Amino acid sequence: GAGVSQTPSNKVTEKGKYVELRCDPISGHTALYWYRQSLGQGPEFLIYFQGTGAADDSGLPNDRFFAVRPEGSVSTLKIQRTERGDSAVYLCASSFGLPDTDTQYFGPGTRLTVL
Amino acid sequence: RKEVEQDPGPFNVPEGATVAFNCTYSNSASQSFFWYRQDCRKEPKLLMSVYSSGNEDGRFTAQLNRASQYISLLIRDSKLSDSATYLCVVNARRGSTLGRLYFGRGTQLTVWP
Repeated sequence: GAGVSQTPSNKVTEKGKYVELRCDPISGHTALYWYRQSLGQGPEFLIYFQGTGAADDSGLPNDRFFAVRPEGSVSTLKIQRTERGDSAVYLCASSFGLPDTDTQYFGPGTRLTVL
Repeated sequence: RKEVEQDPGPFNVPEGATVAFNCTYSNSASQSFFWYRQDCRKEPKLLMSVYSSGNEDGRFTAQLNRASQYISLLIRDSKLSDSATYLCVVNARRGSTLGRLYFGRGTQLTVWP
């Protein structure tokens, strides 16, 4: 079946602009995660959704970052007033339901470049 | 201190070699342990889960030592296709936070002919 999909695959923007990154999880997966991976580092947790609600948003670096999942499926990560330090690969993952035990399947990521 | 520490390498080994990666984790309440593989400019993919009793999947053997908070991955008879970055991953609960994944920075492996 289809895996996790993310759009766009690449996004180049200018400092100060607003961007939206989209994630379409595996059908039937109730848990959805956003991670950020900087060059030479492992992915770093941002936020976790169980259904429509954000169960844990403690990884969001500041209030410029916000994510929604209004219908419990597709999620959008929104970044306001982008900064050069926001440049990274933004990875989305989904799992069946129980974050403690379920395997998380990752999408191909969106490579964000802030000029 | 980072949740998961691992040697970034790089490890450069010939085909057929045996190579071992290690990592340590800081949260003694960690519950699940994994090795993920990440190819260049691709997403991480689960290689195998790691259990206290040790587990094997073909040429790959993973071990967990809870007392030392130490995880290992052994690759036998390395293939060119094993070239990738190997990420040590821990799923831990902290207070009310459910089990988010904590990743090490990854260990880069290159297998040469």
